[in-house]
Amino acid sequence: GAGVSQTPSNKVTEKGKYVELRCDPISGHTALYWYRQSLGQGPEFLIYFQGTGAADDSGLPNDRFFAVRPEGSVSTLKIQRTERGDSAVYLCASSAGQGRETQYFGPGTRLLVL
Amino acid sequence: GDSVTQMEGPVTLSEEAFLTINCTYTATGYPSLFWYVQYPGEGLQLLLKATKADDKGSNKGFEATYRKETTSFHLEKGSVQVSDSAVYFCALSDFTNAGKSTFGDGTTLTVKP
Repeated sequence: GAGVSQTPSNKVTEKGKYVELRCDPISGHTALYWYRQSLGQGPEFLIYFQGTGAADDSGLPNDRFFAVRPEGSVSTLKIQRTERGDSAVYLCASSAGQGRETQYFGPGTRLLVL
Repeated sequence: GDSVTQMEGPVTLSEEAFLTINCTYTATGYPSLFWYVQYPGEGLQLLLKATKADDKGSNKGFEATYRKETTSFHLEKGSVQVSDSAVYFCALSDFTNAGKSTFGDGTTLTVKP
């Protein structure tokens, strides 16, 4: 079946603008994760959803970042008043459950804030 | 908190050479351990995993053994190919921490013909 998909694949925006990044998980996967990968580093955890609720948002760097998953499937990561330091690849992953289940990653959205 | 430390790169090898990429971890619970690979221009792909002590994960000629006593999960391959050139990430996922993954910083492998 289809894997995790993310749109857009690339996003260029200006400092101060608002952006939305979308993630379509594997069908039936209840757990959904967002990560951020800066150049030369490994992915860093942002937020985890189990179903519709954000079970752990401890990785969100500040209140400019917000994510939703209203129907327990597609998720949107929202960044307000973007800053140049937000430039990174934003990765989404889904799994059949939490804990020891394998996470399947999407191709990522490359965000560039000018 | 949880952390993963990988050997620093980049690593450059000749084709058919033996590969080892070291990985050690710190975790509060009993994690599952993973190696992911990221080929140029592509997303993260799971390479192999192990869920308990002494388990050996293997795939595409790569192997890694979960060593609880040394908190390590070193990646090995007996004979690398040019097509193995990629960035390799060691990661852990801890059930006691909502299953979120903690990654190392990655090791870039270049294999020359």
